[in-house]
Amino acid sequence: AQTVTQSQPEMSVQEAETVTLSCTYDTSENNYYLFWYKQPPSRQMILVIRQEAYKQQNATENRFSVNFQKAAKSFSLKISDSQLGDTAMYFCAFIRSNFGNEKLTFGTGTRLTIIP
Amino acid sequence: GAVVSQHPSWVICKSGTSVKIECRSLDFQATTMFWYRQFPKQSLMLMATSNEGSKATYEQGVEKDKFLINHASLTLSTLTVTSAHPEDSSFYICSARIIAGWNTEAFFGQGTRLTVV
Repeated sequence: AQTVTQSQPEMSVQEAETVTLSCTYDTSENNYYLFWYKQPPSRQMILVIRQEAYKQQNATENRFSVNFQKAAKSFSLKISDSQLGDTAMYFCAFIRSNFGNEKLTFGTGTRLTIIP
Repeated sequence: GAVVSQHPSWVICKSGTSVKIECRSLDFQATTMFWYRQFPKQSLMLMATSNEGSKATYEQGVEKDKFLINHASLTLSTLTVTSAHPEDSSFYICSARIIAGWNTEAFFGQGTRLTVV
């Protein structure tokens, strides 16, 4: 079974600073997908960034980037120039294939607070 | 982007009554949808996988007779909480995935806050 671990229950950072959220996972699969989801106070789950395991290049989306270390099974999220709107719960998630009935496995989440 | 619409956003019901929550994929077909439950300050817990035209697959510990799932069409799945009790009060979220070649992405409904009084 796959597991996803987020070791930082809460983090806070000053606005405009950079913050890194950690995520590790355990799997015996070679091809899989990793995601970071954001859940703001509205509780709507929003996809932040996605990484395919077969891609060596780290994914980036504007101020968001990942450090994907496949051998170490690590998938951290870096938020640059943090903004107040980044305040949210962040969940790391894993899925082992793109078959329709595959389940997402979520980490326990990191509550990120951006301080004005 | 793809949208998953969940209704209602919040509902209050009396103990013993049933509540139905709808999850619709608005601009794509979803043969599989997922239902989650989220307790305050916790992660999403998968309750069941809803399969169009067949029975749902429930996770261990989830009472299938209490949480009835129906996936009658490629765009609609419903979760009915039967004979609701205060301990069923929670936040329920549905999800559907789009798969395009090697890419896959999950989209989530807005969630339903259920309060049983």
